[in-house]
Amino acid sequence: DAGITQSPRHKVTETGTPVTLRCHQTENHRYMYWYRQDPGHGLRLIHYSYGVKDTDKGEVSDGYSVSRSKTEDFLLTLESATSSQTSVYFCAINRGDTEAFFGQGTRLTVV
Amino acid sequence: GQQLNQSPQSMFIQEGEDVSMNCTSSSIFNTWLWYKQDPGEGPVLLIALYKAGELTSNGRLTAQFGITRKDSFLNISASIPSDVGIYFCAGQLTGTASKLTFGTGTRLQVTL
Repeated sequence: DAGITQSPRHKVTETGTPVTLRCHQTENHRYMYWYRQDPGHGLRLIHYSYGVKDTDKGEVSDGYSVSRSKTEDFLLTLESATSSQTSVYFCAINRGDTEAFFGQGTRLTVV
Repeated sequence: GQQLNQSPQSMFIQEGEDVSMNCTSSSIFNTWLWYKQDPGEGPVLLIALYKAGELTSNGRLTAQFGITRKDSFLNISASIPSDVGIYFCAGQLTGTASKLTFGTGTRLQVTL
């Protein structure tokens, strides 16, 4: 258990609505990440954070924004959800220089 | 974006058999990681490799960091039913905020 909590664990939302996913860590690590997982694609990085208010884009950032106002919380927002954003979303923290540890995931369905 | 080629995509094996899977990249990495994912869970780190040529074991699992730094291999010896899951490789470059590039996964199913 890496001390990461994702909420909600499951969500169904309608196309065009905004959605926010939350990642909470209890370990005070600097780096936090949001990945999405889709069949045939493995996990792909959406956004990451290297400190409070310090964030940057990953390879699939279009349609997503993030915020980190406290060390322990990293929020992922879908500004206007689309069906292509139906996916499983994973938050991760980096405990050392290299090793990422993942939360349990949020399954998001956009109808 | 770059993806790592992982093979095989899936495999059925019998309990007790050894398993091999590999991961290749078009570019080099400084670190290779291997993860296992059970249904409904997040990936869990199995083995981390930090140096080209390195061979590292974790119980029945053995992984190697390829000499060219563009590939990595994972072997599971004497498979058991709880080895079932999806195995992912991931590569990382130094100085890139520890971002990971993942392979597409190998789904392993073990029959009794």
